[in-house]
Amino acid sequence: TQLLEQSPQFLSIQEGENLTVYCNSSSVFSSLQWYRQEPGEGPVLLVTVVTGGEVKKLKRLTFQFGDARKDSSLHITAAQTGDTGLYLCAPRYGNKLVFGAGTILRVKS
Amino acid sequence: NAGVTQTPKFQVLKTGQSMTLQCAQDMNHNSMYWYRQDPGMGLRLIYYSASEGTTDKGEVPNGYNVSRLNKREFSLRLESAAPSQTSVYFCASSEAVQTYEQYFGPGTRLTVT
Repeated sequence: TQLLEQSPQFLSIQEGENLTVYCNSSSVFSSLQWYRQEPGEGPVLLVTVVTGGEVKKLKRLTFQFGDARKDSSLHITAAQTGDTGLYLCAPRYGNKLVFGAGTILRVKS
Repeated sequence: NAGVTQTPKFQVLKTGQSMTLQCAQDMNHNSMYWYRQDPGMGLRLIYYSASEGTTDKGEVPNGYNVSRLNKREFSLRLESAAPSQTSVYFCASSEAVQTYEQYFGPGTRLTVT
């Protein structure tokens, strides 16, 4: 059974700051998705990374897939209040998708 | 184009009561899923349907049943609700199980007293 950890659990920052959140697994995974969830709503897919070492950019968000295929990170540049939410990573192990517990991000104005 | 819709949005049940959560998608997706979300535990898969006419158990199926009514609709039934089933329930769909990229509904917040 794989262990999946997202860190930090909670992050509170000022608007304009940079931040990085992490997703670490005890087992290798074949691909990984990142989702963002706002209060009272369902998760929304941000990106899928499939290649070890891959870096994808989505405006101010940069997603990295670790070379060893056991970790991923999400970096946000110049955070905005609209970035507030729960960030979930979801690695794929074989034919199974597993969701992490998430990082709660609060961006204050 | 509504995406994935769920009803009801909120529900309070007494222990032992039954209810059905409804889910529908209009994206012509083949695969549909039911998850529950509890604080600190992420999303856990209850049941999924890879295609119309098939259903399979996920990580936490006990106490639940599902029906894939047609390609659009996938319902989740609690036959005898228990306080441990207090949670937020999400339905999701994807083009195929293999793609794994999922589109979620807005959720149903269920409280069992």
